[in-house]
Amino acid sequence: EAGVVQSPRYKIIEKKQPVAFWCNPISGHNTLYWYRQNLGQGPELLIRYENEEAVDDSQLPKDRFSAERLKGVDSTLKIQPAELGDSAVYLCASSLNSGGEYFGPGTRLTVL
Amino acid sequence: GESVGLHLPTLSVQEGDNSIINCAYSNSASDYFIWYKQESGKGPQFIIDIRSNMDKRQGQRVTVLLNKTVKHLSLQIAATQPGDSAVYFCAENFPSGGSNYKLTFGKGTLLTVNP
Repeated sequence: EAGVVQSPRYKIIEKKQPVAFWCNPISGHNTLYWYRQNLGQGPELLIRYENEEAVDDSQLPKDRFSAERLKGVDSTLKIQPAELGDSAVYLCASSLNSGGEYFGPGTRLTVL
Repeated sequence: GESVGLHLPTLSVQEGDNSIINCAYSNSASDYFIWYKQESGKGPQFIIDIRSNMDKRQGQRVTVLLNKTVKHLSLQIAATQPGDSAVYFCAENFPSGGSNYKLTFGKGTLLTVNP
């Protein structure tokens, strides 16, 4: 069974530039999550989708971050404009309902 | 012990020994707990989970113990191998209103297995 797929794996941009990350969850998983992980810390939830609906986006900085999951499968997370403090690993995870979450390899973002 | 900034709690063991990684969780309403293993450059990998109506669950070479009285979780790894070297995170899942729930990760512990 294929796991959660994310792309790109690495991204380096200059501050104030836009950036987008893509995620394809495990087939059949209706719940999708985006997390941010800073160095030496655990992942922190940004947004959770159940099918197409964002059911928890309370931790998403909405002034610059946006996400979508139009058909209830793939999802994109966008930052515009990026700031130096956005440098982190952005992880996507999926689960079947409220079961265990399975993570992708993440996208390591460096903002210069 | 406490970690500050980038300094993770660390555990160093000899290959073949048993390892015990501890975690204190914060919310008494949490009803589901998960241990994750994260190797360098990879996403967290699900190891084992336990629901709050249990106090012990065993997997292959791993055992999770839950003590709800003191809000403590532990992960025991039997016959630790070099491939077990990684950062281990515990995560607690608690209801956050309506049908919502939230998975919150604790501080990781860096396990180093010496050959």
